[in-house]
Amino acid sequence: GDSVTQMEGPVTLSEEAFLTINCTYTATGYPSLFWYVQYPGEGLQLLLKATKADDKGSNKGFEATYRKETTSFHLEKGSVQVSDSAVYFCARLNNAGNMLTFGGGTRLMVKP
Amino acid sequence: DGGITQSPKYLFRKEGQNVTLSCEQNLNHDAMYWYRQDPGQGLRLIYYSQIVNDFQKGDIAEGYSVSREKKESFPLTVTSAQKNPTAFYLCASSDVGTGTNYGYTFGSGTRLTVV
Repeated sequence: GDSVTQMEGPVTLSEEAFLTINCTYTATGYPSLFWYVQYPGEGLQLLLKATKADDKGSNKGFEATYRKETTSFHLEKGSVQVSDSAVYFCARLNNAGNMLTFGGGTRLMVKP
Repeated sequence: DGGITQSPKYLFRKEGQNVTLSCEQNLNHDAMYWYRQDPGQGLRLIYYSQIVNDFQKGDIAEGYSVSREKKESFPLTVTSAQKNPTAFYLCASSDVGTGTNYGYTFGSGTRLTVV
């Protein structure tokens, strides 16, 4: 079945460091891919998405590229801020287009 | 503004009580979902509904019940049969069947605590 695997956290970085959070997905079809962010005590917010191979989603300095050949959708940011501290979830849409499968989430902690 | 509203934000339940969590959306989305999140954990699907008057069990439906009488509303009841209900509950909706893949819109969650 559909699955999404994320690197386990927590990821601890200093401010202005480069961020990569790895995400891979099962390659049944060509699913739309998403990154969501969850700040403490809140729901999930859509961060970015990509709907086809080689698409790059971007928002708030975060980027992720849909890599069909490696079935990956890694999240990157060139210079993290303390305010980026949150839990990040990778997700894929099923082929029917009506259900998301989430990865287990990766907690990011950014220290000043 | 369109969105999805969960209430209450905090809820306390005594042992043996049923409680109902509210989820309302004004996005005109067909599909709605309930997830449970335990501390430091990912999301687990409880129930989902693709259309009014129809819903399906997710991975952890035991001890929970739902209804979908209106498109806008998808309340979740945590029954006394749920032995460990303390968790953060998230409701989401999505616009399926339109060919646009915007993923889910989430509410801000309800934190349920058994006292």
